[in-house]
Amino acid sequence: DGGITQSPKYLFRKEGQNVTLSCEQNLNHDAMYWYRQDPGQGLRLIYYSQIVNDFQKGDIAEGYSVSREKKESFPLTVTSAQKNPTAFYLCASSIRGELAKNIQYFGAGTRLSVL
Amino acid sequence: AQKVTQAQTEISVVEKEDVTLDCVYETRDTTYYLFWYKQPPSGELVFLIRRNSFDEQNEISGRYSWNFQKSTSSFNFTITASQVVDSAVYFCALSENTNAGKSTFGDGTTLTVKP
Repeated sequence: DGGITQSPKYLFRKEGQNVTLSCEQNLNHDAMYWYRQDPGQGLRLIYYSQIVNDFQKGDIAEGYSVSREKKESFPLTVTSAQKNPTAFYLCASSIRGELAKNIQYFGAGTRLSVL
Repeated sequence: AQKVTQAQTEISVVEKEDVTLDCVYETRDTTYYLFWYKQPPSGELVFLIRRNSFDEQNEISGRYSWNFQKSTSSFNFTITASQVVDSAVYFCALSENTNAGKSTFGDGTTLTVKP
């Protein structure tokens, strides 16, 4: 089954700790995205990547870092510099090409809480 | 800058009622794409429809229909004869042609359908 897998489903972070959220896709999509969702709010873009070994900051990149070493994988690290990390994190991917342009496919999300 | 406004934060209806979710957008691009996504309680966003800026035809898919009006910058979503399974958060999103596949999401409308 093709899709996007995010792990873990729940994650707890201690003060001053860096944590990494995993996102893997087997859809052969070029582009991948990370969003943050806070209660009652829409999705805000953290980082995105159009191709391997390249990524750009979104609207709220401070306190986060990413890598894109493989097409299938786009992990997100929430660093200790992110002072308010409690949120629901969603990973998405999209295919290049006019017919499916910009339609995004989402994982099931990771819920991050601070201990 | 692009913006998506979903003025209805929460809507509650009784099963079999029709319900319309409003979406108003702002963009300076002449070519853009509009989307609706559904987020059920499980958390994973599911793509419902994409409409490009040159196609103002309304669309119907089963109980779902969409009304795109460029003159009022609106892309409204109607569910006919609502069902309990329609209960979810619905997001409207906008993607400009030049922004490398990124989408701007509205804050979402939480729809509750009561039996």
